[in-house]
Amino acid sequence: NAGVTQTPKFRVLKTGQSMTLLCAQDMNHEYMYWYRQDPGMGLRLIHYSVGEGTTAKGEVPDGYNVSRLKKQNFLLGLESAAPSQTSVYFCASIPGGGKNIQYFGAGTRLSVL
Amino acid sequence: KQEVTQIPAALSVPEGENLVLNCSFTDSAIYNLQWFRQDPGKGLTSLLLIQSSQREQTSGRLNASLDKSSGRSTLYIAASQPGDSATYLCAVRKNTNAGKSTFGDGTTLTVKP
Repeated sequence: NAGVTQTPKFRVLKTGQSMTLLCAQDMNHEYMYWYRQDPGMGLRLIHYSVGEGTTAKGEVPDGYNVSRLKKQNFLLGLESAAPSQTSVYFCASIPGGGKNIQYFGAGTRLSVL
Repeated sequence: KQEVTQIPAALSVPEGENLVLNCSFTDSAIYNLQWFRQDPGKGLTSLLLIQSSQREQTSGRLNASLDKSSGRSTLYIAASQPGDSATYLCAVRKNTNAGKSTFGDGTTLTVKP
């Protein structure tokens, strides 16, 4: 199993550009999450999904959209990137069914100029 | 709103020393608490997960305890090694239905040879 895979690993955007971050997990996990990690602010939840076809807002959802059309994939979109979205983005998944260990991807480092 | 605090923010110890990392949280109504390790530029790796009904979990040289009533958890590392150098984060989860984990800012540990 590859676990949780994030694509791309690095990206530089100009203000106003759009992009999609892909998270893929091959563990048949029910729950998936997108976090951002910023110095001094810890990890903050952006959006999450409790199953295929579902999404919900987390702590800092503004400026982001998500989709979970397939159980194994969770996409995070930035429609019009802003410098405030410069961050490291992590995807995570949890099996569900009472098993709650959270598994993380390696992260995507995004810079918005 | 749940708040998670980890003190100290940084810790430096000589190799072989036993050490304790602290995690405190403000809302005792948690479902579980998870300790992670993060190496520079990498994702988070799960170390131990303690359910709210448990008092401690052990894995190798690591032992994590949980005292819900006082809102505290500790991660004990025995016989520290240079390879233990990393940032250690704790996260508390409120309920079973995915939702939010609240993370601390972490303790950065340096073990000197």
